[in-house]
Amino acid sequence: GAVVSQHPSWVICKSGTSVKIECRSLDFQATTMFWYRQFPKQSLMLMATSNEGSKATYEQGVEKDKFLINHASLTLSTLTVTSAHPEDSSFYICSASRQGEGNYGYTFGSGTRLTVV
Amino acid sequence: SQQGEEDPQALSIQEGENATMNCSYKTSINNLQWYRQNSGRGLVHLILIRSNEREKHSGRLRVTLDTSKKSSSLLITASRAADTASYFCATANQAGTALIFGKGTTLSVSS
Repeated sequence: GAVVSQHPSWVICKSGTSVKIECRSLDFQATTMFWYRQFPKQSLMLMATSNEGSKATYEQGVEKDKFLINHASLTLSTLTVTSAHPEDSSFYICSASRQGEGNYGYTFGSGTRLTVV
Repeated sequence: SQQGEEDPQALSIQEGENATMNCSYKTSINNLQWYRQNSGRGLVHLILIRSNEREKHSGRLRVTLDTSKKSSSLLITASRAADTASYFCATANQAGTALIFGKGTTLSVSS
């Protein structure tokens, strides 16, 4: 149980276009979802926390107008990278927190490799 | 922001040897978790140790926690080539909602 599906697993887009990444909890309801960014050979950096039905909370230094997060249901959160530039190329990973498990129950998606050309 | 440091940053060993990775953190915690990441993949949860525990075992994994030193260690015994991956420790952020990761240790196990 506790599977998080992230789609697409990789995407290549042109500079200036927008890319949407989906994160779905398949067999549980996720009250909270998290988006991370990871550069090569580096750790995961938390970008934002999203709760179903409310605005996402962004970490310091993360542009909310550039990284649009929508958490419309208890099983789906989306991250849209708007007007993408080559420096946005990175590995993006989502995570979902299972209801009632606080900070004990996190499940991660398999990540999305974004390349902006 | 990152919670703390892991050392070593990189570790290369032979199959059968033990691998020890250390993690330090900055704030008080309820628990500390260790994750594994194969290259270019998502994270796999390995083990969670609560703040009132000092040691925990799971198969070939042994985790220790020293809250007085704000540090934890992950020991992988009798390593295998398949253990080659990056290992991260993680603790909850100040709001207690999200996980914040250490810098990670890249482990290479050669056969």
